[in-house]
Amino acid sequence: AQTVTQSQPEMSVQEAETVTLSCTYDTSESDYYLFWYKQPPSRQMILVIRQEAYKQQNATENRFSVNFQKAAKSFSLKISDSQLGDAAMYFCALSSGSARQLTFGSGTQLTVLP
Amino acid sequence: NAGVMQNPRHLVRRRGQEARLRCSPMKGHSHVYWYRQLPEEGLKFMVYLQKENIIDESGMPKERFSAEFPKEGPSILRIQQVVRGDSAAYFCASSPNSGAVTGELFFGEGSRLTVL
Repeated sequence: AQTVTQSQPEMSVQEAETVTLSCTYDTSESDYYLFWYKQPPSRQMILVIRQEAYKQQNATENRFSVNFQKAAKSFSLKISDSQLGDAAMYFCALSSGSARQLTFGSGTQLTVLP
Repeated sequence: NAGVMQNPRHLVRRRGQEARLRCSPMKGHSHVYWYRQLPEEGLKFMVYLQKENIIDESGMPKERFSAEFPKEGPSILRIQQVVRGDSAAYFCASSPNSGAVTGELFFGEGSRLTVL
């Protein structure tokens, strides 16, 4: 079984500042993928960033980057230069070769303060 | 290219009635996933289908729930004899292949079911 844990139910950040959202996971697979999804008030799930476990280099997408610590099974999301539009629920998710679906964490509600 | 379309967006049912939720995947996508999101929780996998086949239904309750993805038409998630605990947002996602591994899932906006 695979599990994903997000220990921060809520976070807030000042506009233009940087915030880091935490995620830990567990899987017995050696080949897996990690993701951060954003769910704005419209409720549609939007893929923010993806990390392949076999890649040592941390993924980056514009203002979004991850800190992938494989040995510690940690996968945090850093949002730089936060914008009001970044306010949303953020979900960490995991999929592995033997699992045909994504396992999601419980989410972190991010508030961006003007 | 239209995204994943789900309808209805909102559905209200009384206890004991049936709920049918529809999902039209993106054009060219033959893989469909259904997830359920209870209030204040993350998404929980329910079922994975390819055209005319159920590949993995390990997350779907054995009673009252069923899903199909016919050769023609949308995928349908059917809940019979709904109870209050079925109130949730139901999300559909599609991919052109077995996209869950690589994360290439495209989600719809969800269908919110309220059971009175």
